[in-house]
Amino acid sequence: DQQVKQNSPSLSVQEGRISILNCDYTNSMFDYFLWYKKYPAEGPTFLISISSIKDKNEDGRFTVFLNKSAKHLSLHIVPSQPGDSAVYFCAATFSSGTYKYIFGTGTRLKVLA
Amino acid sequence: EAQVTQNPRYLITVTGKKLTVTCSQNMNHEYMSWYRQDPGLGLRQIYYSMNVEVTDKGDVPEGYKVSRKEKRNFPLILESPSPNQTSLYFCASSSRLSGANVLTFGAGSRLTVL
Repeated sequence: DQQVKQNSPSLSVQEGRISILNCDYTNSMFDYFLWYKKYPAEGPTFLISISSIKDKNEDGRFTVFLNKSAKHLSLHIVPSQPGDSAVYFCAATFSSGTYKYIFGTGTRLKVLA
Repeated sequence: EAQVTQNPRYLITVTGKKLTVTCSQNMNHEYMSWYRQDPGLGLRQIYYSMNVEVTDKGDVPEGYKVSRKEKRNFPLILESPSPNQTSLYFCASSSRLSGANVLTFGAGSRLTVL
């Protein structure tokens, strides 16, 4: 049972345009969500997070939106740059500190110059 | 530099030959964990440790062992590796940020079991 799903395995976007990566979850008890970016031959690196008490969090070109009623979150990258080409994982956890993380299967983003 | 260091980065071994993948972090993190990444399955948690001498199973612990004798080290042990353990492995440790823990990952260890 995949509790966190990223239904798009890949996405191609032109440089300068918006990239939208989507993530759905099934467990309504998750209350903290994170996005990680992974380049080839490297470990995932933290990108941005959001608590369930918010519906939006912004950090520079990256914005994460959370729709709790739909159990859906999305990562917006504006404007997209070739250096953003990577695999993006969303993850869900519990802020109470259980250290239980559930990751999605990842979306490979390719930004075309 | 704050980091999580895994070794070896690449390993080819044969079925049944015991191996250990080491993981060390220099950030004084209490929490450490191991994940495996497989195509179409994302990152799945193998084992995690809340602190020294405290370990617990993740989602896919079969065939693996861990130990946490020191805070900085969290080795992953494959007592009798099998081909289905061919995978990309990541060690991670956590820091607290805004009420939840953000994982810092190592660079990964690609293991092939023949």
